[in-house]
Amino acid sequence: AAGVIQSPRHLIKEKRETATLKCYPIPRHDTVYWYQQGPGQDPQFLISFYEKMQSDKGSIPDRFSAQQFSDYHSELNMSSLELGDSALYFCASATGDSYSTDTQYFGPGTRLTVL
Amino acid sequence: AQSVTQLDSHVSVSEGTPVLLRCNYSSSYSPSLFWYVQHPNKGLQLLLKYTSAATLVKGINGFEAEFKKSETSFHLTKPSAHMSDAAEYFCVVSFFGANNLFFGTGTRLTVIP
Repeated sequence: AAGVIQSPRHLIKEKRETATLKCYPIPRHDTVYWYQQGPGQDPQFLISFYEKMQSDKGSIPDRFSAQQFSDYHSELNMSSLELGDSALYFCASATGDSYSTDTQYFGPGTRLTVL
Repeated sequence: AQSVTQLDSHVSVSEGTPVLLRCNYSSSYSPSLFWYVQHPNKGLQLLLKYTSAATLVKGINGFEAEFKKSETSFHLTKPSAHMSDAAEYFCVVSFFGANNLFFGTGTRLTVIP
């Protein structure tokens, strides 16, 4: 069965650079979530999209932005990178909006290292 | 306030013995509850979920969990641990379906040969 695809799987950037992470949801899934997992920490919700519109916002820094495109893939744009942004970034997909979806399926994650 | 607490940060069991990973939640609403597993350097895999249907939920790889409203618990169990079960396990709670998952701090399961 098709799963959530994230690219790249690994990314190394320097401070103050910009990074773009991509997420391709499971086919026919219309909802995408982004999470950040710091070293030794649990995943923290960043932002979500349903039908190409932002549906909810968590602890996402102002330096980050995201969007969902017409083909339902999503991109997380991160600017002015800081050392503390080094983390595993997960994307998850689901069907339905906030009140109807019942399971999120996670991608393998993108490991971002900021030097 | 809604939250989820995993009572043990690390559990160590011998291969072939039972596994118990404890999780308690706090919620003003009827929650959806999930257990996800994360193997080293891998993504999160859904083990099982509770969404107000049967209170005893069976998942993959022989795991199951029981939702006990009176105890606000959702403990994960497996009758016999396998070496491949060694991983980090997250108890996750959500309100209003599966929107905005709130993760517990995780329990690292070690399986001793």
